[in-house]
Amino acid sequence: DIQMTQSPFSLSASVGDRVIITCRASQSISSYLNWYQQKPGKAPKLLIYAASSLQSGVPSRFSGSGSGTLFTLTISSLQPEDFATYYCQQTYSTLPLTFGGGTKVEIK
Amino acid sequence: QVQLQESGPGLVKPSQTLSLTCTVSGGSISSGSYYWSWIRQPAGKGLEWIGRIYTSGSTNYNPSLKSRVTISVDTSKNQFSLKLSSVTAADTAVYYCARAGTYYGDAEYFQHWGQGTLVTVSS
Repeated sequence: DIQMTQSPFSLSASVGDRVIITCRASQSISSYLNWYQQKPGKAPKLLIYAASSLQSGVPSRFSGSGSGTLFTLTISSLQPEDFATYYCQQTYSTLPLTFGGGTKVEIK
Repeated sequence: QVQLQESGPGLVKPSQTLSLTCTVSGGSISSGSYYWSWIRQPAGKGLEWIGRIYTSGSTNYNPSLKSRVTISVDTSKNQFSLKLSSVTAADTAVYYCARAGTYYGDAEYFQHWGQGTLVTVSS
């Protein structure tokens, strides 16, 4: 299985802060990487696919970058509705599909 | 806009079979080129992909669960289903159904999710 490791496990930030979340793959996955946002009691929501493509309807303050084994999700100016847990997911050719452990973004 | 809704028992006894159904509305489950997946999440933990069924009916399962999992589709009811046998307390989780679109030919991204249903394994 391809292991996905996210860091940090959690972070505290203020509204307006720039937030960067990292996801590392145990082997190269090219750009086969997606990002999701999950709020308590809700299903995950797709934010970014193919490492850097913004899903329709997602605010432009979210951006993704990276390829190979290292990826980042950036929130350029944190908004109150962005406090949530974020997951990366690899979709490289080798099954199973796997997710990172999640990064919880909390209010400072 | 496609919508998915999970249904099934919220409580299953150990060693029994967990059975869930995902009803799809807003589109036909047999049209287009989509993967229909099951994903679960134990309380306070991360997401685990269980398996998927393609529009053609072909299936793939997580090797960690493969011996216990069956995913099937009923196109007449616009539903797909999950069966997980010989459950234990470790299978207690919120179970989601999801539809995946593709990019780069076969890379999947989960665009549409059900709201999730909690299944507890307990006697």
